[in-house]
Amino acid sequence: EVQLVESGGGLVQPGGSLRLSCAASGFTFDDYAMHWVRQAPGKGLEWVSGISWNSGSIGYADSVKGRFTIARDNAKSSLFLQMKSLRAEDTAIYYCARHGSWSFNYWGQGTLVTVSS
Amino acid sequence: DIQMTQSPSSLSASVGDRVTITCRASQSSNTYLNWYQQKPGRAPKLLIYAASTLESGVPSRFSGSGSTTDFTLTISSLQPEDSATYFCQQTYSIPWTFGQGTKVEIK
Repeated sequence: EVQLVESGGGLVQPGGSLRLSCAASGFTFDDYAMHWVRQAPGKGLEWVSGISWNSGSIGYADSVKGRFTIARDNAKSSLFLQMKSLRAEDTAIYYCARHGSWSFNYWGQGTLVTVSS
Repeated sequence: DIQMTQSPSSLSASVGDRVTITCRASQSSNTYLNWYQQKPGRAPKLLIYAASTLESGVPSRFSGSGSTTDFTLTISSLQPEDSATYFCQQTYSIPWTFGQGTKVEIK
């Protein structure tokens, strides 16, 4: 069974940093590209960042470019999102998602990031 | 960026009704169009990918159609468990954008 489990969310002050993790199991992690998607409270979905299977191709939404860094450790079947210079508008549930058939076919349960003083 | 616009933003229908949600892309997304269902407090779930291919395990009352800029998600006979918000997404070009969502309620 495919499982994606996010962790690392919490309350952080504006300008602060946070590192999210996503532990994957139930599939061969290094066969798949992975993504981070976020959802602000009561709002829609926003793709944040994606990374290819071998980290050779990486993309970011303009809203996080230069502040967030995606990475993966295939040996540990883990995906990461390093977030710095956090703003109130970064407050959201952050989901990791597995790429498949040009879609996001598996999602984690999400981790909540709250940016507030 | 390709902007995705869904309509309606919300709808209320009765069990057994046929429900149609539309998604329009600001420029062609070929058939790289996906539909997700999200229930409150839960992660999104893939329903349809590549505009019309049903994800494994998804009930056959769900169907998708369209290409280029205009797409449709149809629920042929609405069931109580279909109460949720539905999102379209294009994966034709980065950034991979979502529609704003359509909330489906049961009368």
